[in-house]
Amino acid sequence: QVQLRESGPGLVQPSQTLSLTCTVSGGSVSRGGYYWSWIRQHPGKGLEWIGYIYHSGTTYYNPSLESRVSISVDTSKNQFSVRLSSVTAADTAVYYCARYDSSGYHYFFDYWGQGTLVIVSS
Amino acid sequence: EIVLTQSPGTLSLSPGERATLYCRASQSVSSAHLAWYQQIPGQAPRLLIYGASGRATGVPDRFSGSGSGTDFTLTISRLETEDFAVYYCQQYSSSTELTFGGGTKVEI
Repeated sequence: QVQLRESGPGLVQPSQTLSLTCTVSGGSVSRGGYYWSWIRQHPGKGLEWIGYIYHSGTTYYNPSLESRVSISVDTSKNQFSVRLSSVTAADTAVYYCARYDSSGYHYFFDYWGQGTLVIVSS
Repeated sequence: EIVLTQSPGTLSLSPGERATLYCRASQSVSSAHLAWYQQIPGQAPRLLIYGASGRATGVPDRFSGSGSGTDFTLTISRLETEDFAVYYCQQYSSSTELTFGGGTKVEI
């Protein structure tokens, strides 16, 4: 059973960089066929895909966030991380890491972390 | 960007009733890459339906999905109390084109 767990500061100051890490257990970030993803949910709102990284290190980002976001992977620790720069209050959200299964004909998010709330405030 | 519009925004029903949720895409999407998720308040989303009509592992058969092109439907045949939640559709059309619908809340 694959499990994902987000970690990182719950409070970030405006204009600073938000950094979160997702630790994966029960599966390997080095295995092909999966995109290791970040998704966020503003309070009381819907889901927004931030981006994902393939085991090769290839990254894809939501065009609306591309100028501020970076996702990386650490295969030695079986972790992947997101950095979002120049944050504002509009970046306050619950951040989820998730696995996007593209190994077959159908694509879907099959495993999710529990989510972590990040508040942007001074 | 492909926009997914879910309707209705809120569905008020009683246990035992049938729920029909809609997801309309602004452009045609591949059924293979259309999924539905359930989110109970305070929890992460959970995969319900993949490939527009395939039930994920452990999902009760009262949940069913259908549709193609731009119109997709999630049906809950007989609502159980644990089904009262928010439901999202999601599509993938390219590596940088992945979007969620705005959600439908199913409430008592």
